Amino acid sequence: GAVVSQHPSRVICKSGTSVKIECRSLDFQATTMFWYRQFPKQSLMLMATSNEGSKATYEQGVEKDKFLINHASLTLSTLTVTSAHPEDSSFYICSARDPGQGEETQYFGPGTRLLVL
Amino acid sequence: GENVEQHPSTLSVQEGDSAVIKCTYSDSASNYFPWYKQELGKRPQLIIDIRSNVGEKKDQRIAVTLNKTAKHFSLHITETQPEDSAVYFCAARLKAAGNKLTFGGGTRVLVKP
Repeated sequence: GAVVSQHPSRVICKSGTSVKIECRSLDFQATTMFWYRQFPKQSLMLMATSNEGSKATYEQGVEKDKFLINHASLTLSTLTVTSAHPEDSSFYICSARDPGQGEETQYFGPGTRLLVL
Repeated sequence: GENVEQHPSTLSVQEGDSAVIKCTYSDSASNYFPWYKQELGKRPQLIIDIRSNVGEKKDQRIAVTLNKTAKHFSLHITETQPEDSAVYFCAARLKAAGNKLTFGGGTRVLVKP
């Protein structure tokens, strides 16, 4: 299957700082990427849909000014958690659709574990 | 929007036995149903998927069935092995919702040797 990478794999930061997470499609171009958040022992909750060259679409209840998404190229989307607080600690996972594999198939990145102290 | 329910939340089976996980969805317009396996601390891995124009699909020890009328689909794992132990998530895609996937709550499967 297609390969999606994420960086960093884990990050620890102080409350009030901002953290940027990168999601890259390594062997295909992705016009659409998705950002999920997963709390321990829970399911994946979609936060936003990242569209190359346009504004992201946020799910209900997700603050767009707190979770900034930029999809500047066909292989890179970034999620910035601004003014992070302990309740933002979670596992953040991106996914991307590979058009060459059909419009439905989504491949996930390895995730970024964020711990806010 | 779409709503996906998944049962059971935990499943313990003896090695060699079969495991079945069931999901129901709410929107009859959903047309794509993938299953993901997630090991602790790792990414979800697509293991099998089915589209709404197909009733059943099989890949070695894994099979998925879809009942569009009843709006439910199931994952079947036969001859389970310890390495099948993981959390399994079903999902449904509603094309009208921009290809977004809605996930079930997950099933923690433990295969006992």
